[in-house]
Amino acid sequence: AQSVSQHNHHVILSEAASLELGCNYSYGGTVNLFWYVQYPGQHLQLLLKYFSGDPLVKGIKGFEAEFIKSKFSFNLRKPSVQWSDTAEYFCAVGSGNTGKLIFGQGTTLQVKP
Amino acid sequence: NAGVTQTPKFQVLKTGQSMTLQCAQDMNHEYMSWYRQDPGMGLRLIHYSVGAGITDQGEVPNGYNVSRSTTEDFPLRLLSAAPSQTSVYFCASSYKGALSTEAFFGQGTRLTVV
Repeated sequence: AQSVSQHNHHVILSEAASLELGCNYSYGGTVNLFWYVQYPGQHLQLLLKYFSGDPLVKGIKGFEAEFIKSKFSFNLRKPSVQWSDTAEYFCAVGSGNTGKLIFGQGTTLQVKP
Repeated sequence: NAGVTQTPKFQVLKTGQSMTLQCAQDMNHEYMSWYRQDPGMGLRLIHYSVGAGITDQGEVPNGYNVSRSTTEDFPLRLLSAAPSQTSVYFCASSYKGALSTEAFFGQGTRLTVV
């Protein structure tokens, strides 16, 4: 069965620190990978996505992620976080041609001003 | 530009009561899904639909029913609410593509079963 694992459950950083959130997945076929963000009290919004091509993808608000096929990983990075990045971050794998997503457990990021 | 609209935003139910969570999208998306979000467990798929008249079970379907009579609407029915169904419920939609496409989420329904 497909699964997604996020390594860090709760991360606390100071403003301007660099961020890397780990995500590993298990799936035997072609994968579509996503990172979603959920700001406090809001719904999920897409940060970035990988379907094919350049394994380094750039998203909104300065976020980027690198797809490493050999490691089944899709880690999220940001060089310098801001207080407004405080949110919960979810990695997800697209499951075939059905619209289904398999989510990781989520990582809560707290950025201290 | 409404996107995905869920109603109600908040609901308190007594154990054994039934109710329907509404979800509507105005983007003409073929795919729609229901997820529940619980602390430390991410989002788990309850039911999904690939088009009008077609639904299937996800990871945690027990206690829930769905139907898809139109492209726009995908209601989720709780048959007999239980405290274990206390959660935040999200509806999502996406268009039909060759591969998985971006899902658009509603604002969520926070359900408490007492």
